[in-house]
Amino acid sequence: GAVVSQHPSRVICKSGTSVKIECRSLDFQATTMFWYRQFPKQSLMLMATSNEGSKATYEQGVEKDKFLINHASLTLSTLTVTSAHPEDSSFYICSVLSGGGTDTQYFGPGTRLTVL
Amino acid sequence: GENVEQHPSTLSVQEGDSAVIKCTYSDSASNYFPWYKQELGKGPQLIIDIRSNVGEKKDQRIAVTLNKTAKHFSLHITETQPEDSAVYFCAASKAIQGAQKLVFGQGTRLTINP
Repeated sequence: GAVVSQHPSRVICKSGTSVKIECRSLDFQATTMFWYRQFPKQSLMLMATSNEGSKATYEQGVEKDKFLINHASLTLSTLTVTSAHPEDSSFYICSVLSGGGTDTQYFGPGTRLTVL
Repeated sequence: GENVEQHPSTLSVQEGDSAVIKCTYSDSASNYFPWYKQELGKGPQLIIDIRSNVGEKKDQRIAVTLNKTAKHFSLHITETQPEDSAVYFCAASKAIQGAQKLVFGQGTRLTINP
């Protein structure tokens, strides 16, 4: 399967600051990446679909101005949490859609965000 | 939209026994059903998947069955080992405007007792 990395693995920030999370596809070019959020002991919730070279598509209820997504290359997508608040504390996970017309998603290791 | 229900939420089995996790989905157009294993503090790892044109798939100790008529699919783990302890998620998806979006079940915390 695809190898996906995320950076940082953990981040602690103060309320009101912005945090950028990187998602990299290490072994193939990914035109489509996804961003998920997972609260403790809960399932994964899709936040947005990130397409290389175009605007991200956000799921209902996800504020696009608060969660900025940039997919500027075929190997990198970034998620910026702007003006973070304690309720944004969560586990953020990206995935890449494997190429070749298949529909398999491979996930990154996740980023634990804690907002104080 | 799609809704995926997963049962049980927790499952405890003795090492060497089998474990079965079941999921149901609501959208008959869903055509891809992966299973993921998530260990504490890590991202989900794909362990097996099945597509709607297949009724069963097996990979060593892991198997998945799909009943399209009843809209349910199940994960079977045989000869369980302590390292199988994790949270398992089922998911369903279909192509929407050219992209496959996964809808996840609630997860099953599997504990293998030595």
